[in-house]
Amino acid sequence: SQTIHQWPATLVQPVGSPLSLECTVEGTSNPNLYWYRQAAGRGLQLLFYSVGIGQISSEVPQNLSASRPQDRQFILSSKKLLLSDSGFYLCAWSRDIGTDTQYFGPGTRLTVL
Amino acid sequence: AQSVTQLDSQVPVFEEAPVELRCNYSSSVSVYLFWYVQYPNQGLQLLLKYLSGSTLVKGINGFEAEFNKSQTSFHLRKPSVHISDTAEYFCAVSGTGGSYIPTFGRGTSLIVHP
Repeated sequence: SQTIHQWPATLVQPVGSPLSLECTVEGTSNPNLYWYRQAAGRGLQLLFYSVGIGQISSEVPQNLSASRPQDRQFILSSKKLLLSDSGFYLCAWSRDIGTDTQYFGPGTRLTVL
Repeated sequence: AQSVTQLDSQVPVFEEAPVELRCNYSSSVSVYLFWYVQYPNQGLQLLLKYLSGSTLVKGINGFEAEFNKSQTSFHLRKPSVHISDTAEYFCAVSGTGGSYIPTFGRGTSLIVHP
């Protein structure tokens, strides 16, 4: 069976510090991978998605970046965090884009102080 | 471009009562529709989805939804809710042309009171 992991589960960082969130998927190959941010009352905002190694599509311009160094690894990064980066970050995967179910990880709660 | 509107941000209901969570979408092409549930501090999990065929879709935990193309709606229903149904519910739409990436609504918080 497939599983998706995210870490850390919670993170408190000062403004201006760097960020690295990691997501890994087990039990499948060549998944489509997604990063979402969830802010209170604002639903899910798609940040990045990837259809393959080294292929990243950005949906929203911001100070975040994403990388996919391996088939089942997706990393969300920032060089300098802003207060507005606080939120709940969710990683997800799917076999196909559009018709297939997205499977979500447990999320990372990021607080920027 | 596609969009999703969840008309209610919060729906309070008593245990064993029926509930309907409303979702309307906007899209110029054929759509695929999803409902996900999120329990506190967890990721989302699929309740049900509509891809084609019968407009009445049955999902897990006794939930069902009906696709209404003329009203561009995909409302979620359950005839009798339980305390454990208290959660955030998200409607999502993806299109057959343009963006295949699902667009999510803002969510509806279902609060079931004893």
